[in-house]
Amino acid sequence: ELVLTQSPGALSLSPGESATLSCRASQSVPADYLAWYQQKPGQAPRLLIYAASTRATDIPDRFTGSGSGTYFTLTISRLEPEDFAVYHCQQYLYPAYAFGQGTKLEI
Amino acid sequence: QVQLVQSGAEVKKPGASVKVSCKASGYTFINYYFHWVRQAPGQGLEWMGIIRPSGGVADSAQRFQGRLTMTRDTSTSTVYMELSSLTSDDTAVYYCARERPEGYRFDLWGQGTLVTVSS
Repeated sequence: ELVLTQSPGALSLSPGESATLSCRASQSVPADYLAWYQQKPGQAPRLLIYAASTRATDIPDRFTGSGSGTYFTLTISRLEPEDFAVYHCQQYLYPAYAFGQGTKLEI
Repeated sequence: QVQLVQSGAEVKKPGASVKVSCKASGYTFINYYFHWVRQAPGQGLEWMGIIRPSGGVADSAQRFQGRLTMTRDTSTSTVYMELSSLTSDDTAVYYCARERPEGYRFDLWGQGTLVTVSS
């Protein structure tokens, strides 16, 4: 069973700063199978990054994904007020999909 | 408009079943897979299962096997998730989400359906 561990659990920063969120997998998986989502209170998740480093439609270039094997990161530069939310990583390892427990980015 | 619209909130008693619908519009229904993902209060996201609309083949996460049923109606572009033998641990928001085949990511989500299990 694939287990994803996100760190930190919560991160307090100010607008204008940069954030680095990590996602560690219990097994090595292809980078093509790694995605990141943003979720705001009361809303469904929104796809940010797929294939580890490709931004989804309309996602600003302040969001950068990287990594391979078992370690992946999401970097958000020049934080805007609307970036404060919960971020989830997600991977696929046949035959199942898995999510990390989330990182809360707070002001 | 490309969207997934889910059915409304449900309140169920322990031991009962719940059926949630997810209606797709604005794109070709059978060209995408559907997933069900749930989120308990204050918790992370949990993947439940996948259904492939073109053939109706479904696969569930191991922990839901035996009590999760996913179906689809191609005439109305709707997928359904039925979870049986409910307990209080099943209280959560249930989401449907779309995946382009072999895309390994969910690019469109429904608005979520709150299911509350309480005696």
